Amino acid sequence: AQSVSQHNHHVILSEAASLELGCNYSYGGTVNLFWYVQYPGQHLQLLLKYFSGDPLVKGIKGFEAEFIKSKFSFNLRKPSVQWSDTAEYFCAVNRRAAGNKLTFGGGTRVLVKP
Amino acid sequence: GAVVSQHPSWVICKSGTSVKIECRSLDFQATTMFWYRQFPKQSLMLMATSNEGSKATYEQGVEKDKFLINHASLTLSTLTVTSAHPEDSSFYICSARKNLGTGELFFGEGSRLTVL
Repeated sequence: AQSVSQHNHHVILSEAASLELGCNYSYGGTVNLFWYVQYPGQHLQLLLKYFSGDPLVKGIKGFEAEFIKSKFSFNLRKPSVQWSDTAEYFCAVNRRAAGNKLTFGGGTRVLVKP
Repeated sequence: GAVVSQHPSWVICKSGTSVKIECRSLDFQATTMFWYRQFPKQSLMLMATSNEGSKATYEQGVEKDKFLINHASLTLSTLTVTSAHPEDSSFYICSARKNLGTGELFFGEGSRLTVL
């Protein structure tokens, strides 16, 4: 079965700390990869995406993610978080062979302490 | 651009009634829209793919007679929860893909359904 796994359900860290959120998917073939963020009280918005090319992708608000095909991973990173990064982060995979449907990971709630 | 709007944002209804939720792409056309359901503290679960002018495609385990989807135009898809019961209470989110876009999905703000 298709699956997208996010390793941490909750992360708590202090401002200026570095953040890394893991994401793994379980199927082969051509995939597009996404990270979405949901700030408290707001709807999902795209942080970054990978379709092809350079596996290191830079997104908005200082986030980046690295696609490692051999590890089926697409981990999200930010070198120095801010209180405003408190949100829930979702990894999503779009498998073209499956009709371009997005499958989401379970989400990771990140709390940044001021 | 690329705004998706859902209405209503919150609805409370009695058990046994039907509720319609609208999803509109305000500034782009979308042949394909998706309906998700999000339970508290859980991820989004794809319910169905809504296709303009044709029948929706439902995911395994989703009752198509329970969750009626209509995609009558390139900017509007509706989800009707028929004969709602308390277990249907959830957060329903739609998303739309631009017809001439990069494949990115744009999400609505979600609709919270509470069935008493």
